[in-house]
Amino acid sequence: EIQLQESGPGLVKPSQSLSLTCSVTGYTITSGYDWSWIRKFPGNKMEWMGYISYSGSTNYNPSLKSRISITRDTSKNQFFLQLNSVTTEDTATYYCAGRWFAYWGQGTLVTVSS
Amino acid sequence: DIQMTQSPSSLPASLGDRVTITCRASQDIGNYLRWFQQKPGKSPRLMIYGATNLAAGVPSRFSGSRSGSDYSLTISSLESEDMADYYCLQSKESPWTFGGGTKLELK
Repeated sequence: EIQLQESGPGLVKPSQSLSLTCSVTGYTITSGYDWSWIRKFPGNKMEWMGYISYSGSTNYNPSLKSRISITRDTSKNQFFLQLNSVTTEDTATYYCAGRWFAYWGQGTLVTVSS
Repeated sequence: DIQMTQSPSSLPASLGDRVTITCRASQDIGNYLRWFQQKPGKSPRLMIYGATNLAAGVPSRFSGSRSGSDYSLTISSLESEDMADYYCLQSKESPWTFGGGTKLELK
């Protein structure tokens, strides 16, 4: 069975970068599908942030402009989220998901605060 | 961006009720519509894909339908384990966008 798990700091200071890792087991991320990052804000709004495809191409939500980068380490079967210049409005629970959103990580709360 | 207008935002219902949640797309999305269930402290669970297809392991009391630009998730007979938040997601055109969510709760 495919499993995903997010990891990373739970607290980030404003203007710094948020970096999260999604570790995937049960499926090789270069074999197929897109691998996404999604976040859920405190008011329950959900936002798709972007994905990295099995081939390594990326697609980002324009709302995040040039702040976002999604990369991967195929040797570790992991993909990563980096969000630069964070503000308090980036406080959210961050999820990774794959196989057309059939599989999700458990989510990790990231708080942006000084 | 394609806007997904989800209604209602809150839905009080009784066990055994038939309930329907709707998402209206601002542009044509074909059948590129998914429904998710999310319980407190848990990650979203895929319920419906392709607007009408039941995801693996989802009880048959759940169904999805489409009428023009309106997409609906129906639970034929509400059970206590169905109390949760529900979201739609369109993946026809990037950026993929979610509906605002519906909180299904006991009346």
